[in-house]
Amino acid sequence: SQTIHQWPATLVQPVGSPLSLECTVEGTSNPNLYWYRQAAGRGLQLLFYSVGIGQISSEVPQNLSASRPQDRQFILSSKKLLLSDSGFYLCAWRGAAWGTEAFFGQGTRLTVV
Amino acid sequence: DQQVKQNSPSLSVQEGRISILNCDYTNSMFDYFLWYKKYPAEGPTFLISISSIKDKNEDGRFTVFLNKSAKHLSLHIVPSQPGDSAVYFCAALGKGGSNYKLTFGKGTLLTVNP
Repeated sequence: SQTIHQWPATLVQPVGSPLSLECTVEGTSNPNLYWYRQAAGRGLQLLFYSVGIGQISSEVPQNLSASRPQDRQFILSSKKLLLSDSGFYLCAWRGAAWGTEAFFGQGTRLTVV
Repeated sequence: DQQVKQNSPSLSVQEGRISILNCDYTNSMFDYFLWYKKYPAEGPTFLISISSIKDKNEDGRFTVFLNKSAKHLSLHIVPSQPGDSAVYFCAALGKGGSNYKLTFGKGTLLTVNP
């Protein structure tokens, strides 16, 4: 069966520090991968998605970047965090076929102080 | 611009009654729709989906209705249970190259009162 791992679960970082969140998927190959953010009291905002190794689509201009160095690994990064980067970050995967649902990790609560 | 809209931030229902959660979309390229349930500090979990070739899909207590001409879908939960209390998100996938991008609404907080 397929599983998705996302870590860390919580993170407190000072303003201006770097960020690296990692997500890995097991039990499937060539998944579509996603990073979402849920800010306090708001919905799920799509940040990045990837349909293959090295292929990243950015949805929102921001202080963050994403990379997919391996088929089942998706990394969210920042060189210098802003207060506005605080939020709940979610990684998800879905199969490449039409009409398949996405499966989410447990999320990372990031607080920038 | 928000292509998937959930205009009701919250909904309160009595246990045993029907819960109806609504979702509107603006992009005519969307052809697959999904509902997710989310508890605080957890990832969303998939509930039910519907393709644009159908107008209804049912799974136990959950039924999703799609009205393509109105670009509207709804999730019905019957009977509602206190454990259904959570945030419900509507999401959409597009055709062809847009099949990769999964777009969510802002969610509706459902509270089921005992």
